[in-house]
Amino acid sequence: DIKMTQSPSSMYASLGERVTITCKASQDIKSYLSWYQQKPWKSPKTLIYYATSLADGVPSRFSGSGSGQDYSLTISSLESDDTATYYCLQHGESPYTFGGGTKLEIK
Amino acid sequence: QVQLKQSGPGLVQPSQSLSITCTVSGFSLTSYGVHWVRQSPGKGLEWLGVIWSGGSTDYNAAFISRLSISKDNSKSQVFFKMNSLQANDTAIYYCASGAWFAYWGQGTLVTVSA
Repeated sequence: DIKMTQSPSSMYASLGERVTITCKASQDIKSYLSWYQQKPWKSPKTLIYYATSLADGVPSRFSGSGSGQDYSLTISSLESDDTATYYCLQHGESPYTFGGGTKLEIK
Repeated sequence: QVQLKQSGPGLVQPSQSLSITCTVSGFSLTSYGVHWVRQSPGKGLEWLGVIWSGGSTDYNAAFISRLSISKDNSKSQVFFKMNSLQANDTAIYYCASGAWFAYWGQGTLVTVSA
């Protein structure tokens, strides 16, 4: 199985700050990497797909980058509504696997 | 507008089975697969399996002996069944669809308890 190592597991950041979350796959996943935002008691919401493509309706302050084994999600200027837990998912090889999550809170 | 609506019980007795139905709208089950994912406090998000548009299935090996996914294209419904539930199967169960899990159901909170 492909292991997805996500970091950090939790973080605090200030409004307006640039935030980066990373996911490292145990092998090349060829950009089959998505990012999701989840708020308490809500279903995950897709932010980024195929590593760099912004999902419909997602603010442009979110962006994704990476290739091979290494990927990142960046929020260019943190807003209060961005408080949530973020997950990566590799869907290139079964069994599909998620990162452990990053809980992002406002300082 | 794509929607996935889940229906199923919230409480399951130990050793009993769990059945959840995912009813989709806004797309055809002959076009996209439907995945099942669960979320528990101890293990985060865990992919369980998928039924593809053509009807074939792929299961996480950890659950292959007790998991079954089927569908009725004409009713736009996908059926999830997991057998022999134990306390550590307590979780929120989701259906999700689209090439990159673009769309998610609302989740079904399942508690395994006597």
